[in-house]
Amino acid sequence: DAGVTQSPTHLIKTRGQQVTLRCSPKSGHDTVSWYQQALGQGPQFIFQYYEEEERQRGNFPDRFSGHQFPNYSSELNVNALLLGDSALYLCASSLYEGVVVETQYFGPGTRLLVL
Amino acid sequence: QKEVEQDPGPLSVPEGAIVSLNCTYSNSAFQYFMWYRQYSRKGPELLMYTYSSGNKEDGRFTAQVDKSSKYISLFIRDSQPSDSATYLCAMSLTTDSWGKLQFGAGTQVVVTP
Repeated sequence: DAGVTQSPTHLIKTRGQQVTLRCSPKSGHDTVSWYQQALGQGPQFIFQYYEEEERQRGNFPDRFSGHQFPNYSSELNVNALLLGDSALYLCASSLYEGVVVETQYFGPGTRLLVL
Repeated sequence: QKEVEQDPGPLSVPEGAIVSLNCTYSNSAFQYFMWYRQYSRKGPELLMYTYSSGNKEDGRFTAQVDKSSKYISLFIRDSQPSDSATYLCAMSLTTDSWGKLQFGAGTQVVVTP
């Protein structure tokens, strides 16, 4: 049973560029959350997708956007990259069952470097 | 002030010792408390979660929550070199907000043989 997968594993971009990161959730999961983890910091919640809609959002600017596809996979897009966007981007998946949300499983992350 | 404070370490202990980790938080509305383990170049892995104040034990791991003091702890007994990792505390307001976890900065633990 494949866990959460993310692609690419590493990425180098320059300031002002745009980037798209991809996530495939664990089999049977329907909810995807994205986090940004700067070096030496804990993950910070960006947003969560369920039923192809953004369900919750953290304190990130509109440059950060996302999408969820019918097969539950998800993309994170970041426009107009800044040096401060350099971080590990983590995707976590879970199964939403009413008010009970199952344990979140994290992927290995995509390490983004902005030069 | 951050909502969740966690000493970054590193915390170095000899094999077999008890590892003691803790976090403090400022938002008394947090209800669910988790501990994650993150190995280098990996995503976080959930170790334990608790809801109410008190202790919860799972094998070598014990989690404690003291809501009155806004303080949570994780103890690892009989520590092994394989326990060397960064330990992150996390918390959420409700089960519906489990996607929106508030993490501490993580404590790096090194268990030496």
